[in-house]
Order: sequence, then C-alpha cells, then structure tokens
Amino acid sequence: EDQVTQSPEALRLQEGESSSLNCSYTVSGLRGLFWYRQDPGKGPEFLFTLYSAGEEKEKERLKATLTKKESFLHITAPKPEDSATYLCAVQAGTSGSRLTFGEGTQLTVNP
Amino acid sequence: EAGVAQSPRYKIIEKRQSVAFWCNPISGHATLYWYQQILGQGPKLLIQFQNNGVVDDSQLPKDRFSAERLKGVDSTLKIQPAKLEDSAVYLCASSLYRLGGDDEQYFGPGTRLTVT
Repeated sequence: EDQVTQSPEALRLQEGESSSLNCSYTVSGLRGLFWYRQDPGKGPEFLFTLYSAGEEKEKERLKATLTKKESFLHITAPKPEDSATYLCAVQAGTSGSRLTFGEGTQLTVNP
Repeated sequence: EAGVAQSPRYKIIEKRQSVAFWCNPISGHATLYWYQQILGQGPKLLIQFQNNGVVDDSQLPKDRFSAERLKGVDSTLKIQPAKLEDSAVYLCASSLYRLGGDDEQYFGPGTRLTVT
C-alpha cells in the first residue's frame, strides 16, 4: 500500500526565514511525486511534478527536490502570502493515475 | 482557460438523507476524479473516470456512493443514505491524460458537506 508522511504538521516562520518541508513516501514503482498548495476553502493548486531521484524544480520562492525515499519543498525568504497548506502526493506505477496524498503541512508566515 | 467547476459549494443535510454533487471539468480533459477530503487530512480518491468509463473505484463505498459521467464531460456524485462520517469536502479534479507525459490533476473548489 502506498504511503505518504509529511512533516512537520504545522510550521510558523517569520517573513524572510527560509525552511524546508519534508515528504517521505513508500510506493511500488514511483511514476511521479506531486506538490500542491491548498488555501482555506479552496481546492489544491498544482505546483510541481518530480519523476526521478535527483530531479529539482523551482517556482518563485519554492524549490522541490526528490530522492528515492523523500522529497523536500524548500521555501526561500517566504512572504505572508506563502501561508497555506502544502500537500505532497505520489502516483504509483501499479495504481494508474491515482494520487495518494499526505496529510499536509500547514505553513504560516508572519510579517 | 476556465477551471474545474463544482456545485453546490456548501450543503447541509441530515443523516439518512441523500445528496448529489455536480462537476464540470476543464474543457478537453478526458480524465475526471472525485476525491473526499476530511478536515485535517489529505484528499482520498473515490473514483476515476476516463471519458465516460470507470477506471478506478476501488475506494468508493459502493453501498451508499455512486457516480456517473454521462457523455464523457460532466459528472455527478451521489450519496444515499448519508452518514455522519460523510461530512467532508468533496473535490473534483480533471487531467488531460497524455500517455507517457505530464498528467497534472487540476482541482475544483470543492463542495463542503455537513451531515447532522
């Protein structure tokens, strides 16, 4: 059974204070690892897809990396508008297009 | 490009009543998904359609949940009868499904269901 564990559950940062979110996964044949951002009362918003260990992708202040067991979402010099819940999901080769999500990390960036 | 549309946005019903949710995916997206997101948890897939055929419904509680996607476009998800534990946000997502290529899923705003 595919499993995704995200840590920490919640993270408070001061504006400009860089940090990383962790996503550990167990999956049979990884097809892709996805990062989403979810604001209160909204659906998840797609950020990145990573396909193989060593791959990195960047978007503004966010950078996602992937190893064979985990992924990190690095947030550099965050701003209050980066406050949201960040969800990690895996897509396994044995389960078609199904995404298995972690429980998310709730990020709060204080001004 | 218009996003995934869902309605209603909120619904409150009593247990044992029935309820239906509607989803209109992004134009041209062949694959449609329904997820259940309980408060504080990540979304969990209920059912996946490829055009108007079911691809994956292994996690759908079939004794009370049903879904259809007529003509391969819009979809409805129904719960009958509802239980207290069905209180959640029901998310619809769609993807283009490019074989061997990126397959990002785009989510709608969700329907928040409260069962009392």
